[in-house]
Amino acid sequence: DAGVIQSPRHEVTEMGQEVTLRCKPISGHDYLFWYRQTMMRGLELLIYFNNNVPIDDSGMPEDRFSAKMPNASFSTLKIQPSEPRDSAVYFCASSWGVMDSPLHFGNGTRLTVT
Amino acid sequence: GQQVMQIPQYQHVQEGEDFTTYCNSSTTLSNIQWYKQRPGGHPVFLIQLVKSGEVKKQKRLTFQFGEAKKNSSLHITATQTTDVGTYFCAGPRGSNYQLIWGAGTKLIIKP
Repeated sequence: DAGVIQSPRHEVTEMGQEVTLRCKPISGHDYLFWYRQTMMRGLELLIYFNNNVPIDDSGMPEDRFSAKMPNASFSTLKIQPSEPRDSAVYFCASSWGVMDSPLHFGNGTRLTVT
Repeated sequence: GQQVMQIPQYQHVQEGEDFTTYCNSSTTLSNIQWYKQRPGGHPVFLIQLVKSGEVKKQKRLTFQFGEAKKNSSLHITATQTTDVGTYFCAGPRGSNYQLIWGAGTKLIIKP
């Protein structure tokens, strides 16, 4: 079990640039979550998918954020255009089967927007 | 709305002292999960409690779920440097597949 794999680990970009974060969930997991973590706001759920279908995106802060899951083994979170306030650690997590199953987190992407 | 409050925000202890963090939910929870995040790391699942009054142990860690299923605690006996990190509780938001997270308690070992 390779765990949830995220890339890149670190991303530094200038305001206005497009940022794409990538995630490969654990094989067989049918739920995928994107979280954002900051000191001020803690862990925030942005969006989650079930069987590649977005179920709840109410946590996506604004239209600059979008997420896709084209297949069971890949998801992206895109920010366009990026702003300094988007600086945070973005985690992808996956889980299996029933509601409330424990989450398996990736190592995260630390995003810095200057 | 539904909230999970976690206290304290920080706890400084000498190595060998005990540590406790508490979670309180504004509503009854079907279950509660605990995670640990090491500095610079990602949250790692520790345990899930489901039953009213449930107590589970993992070596020096003791987890409790209240009788009313609205509160929970994590107690670490005789802390070690490997225990350093932030401990989060999380409970499901009603029928929606979302976890509501506590703000976390950061365990700091005094030098």
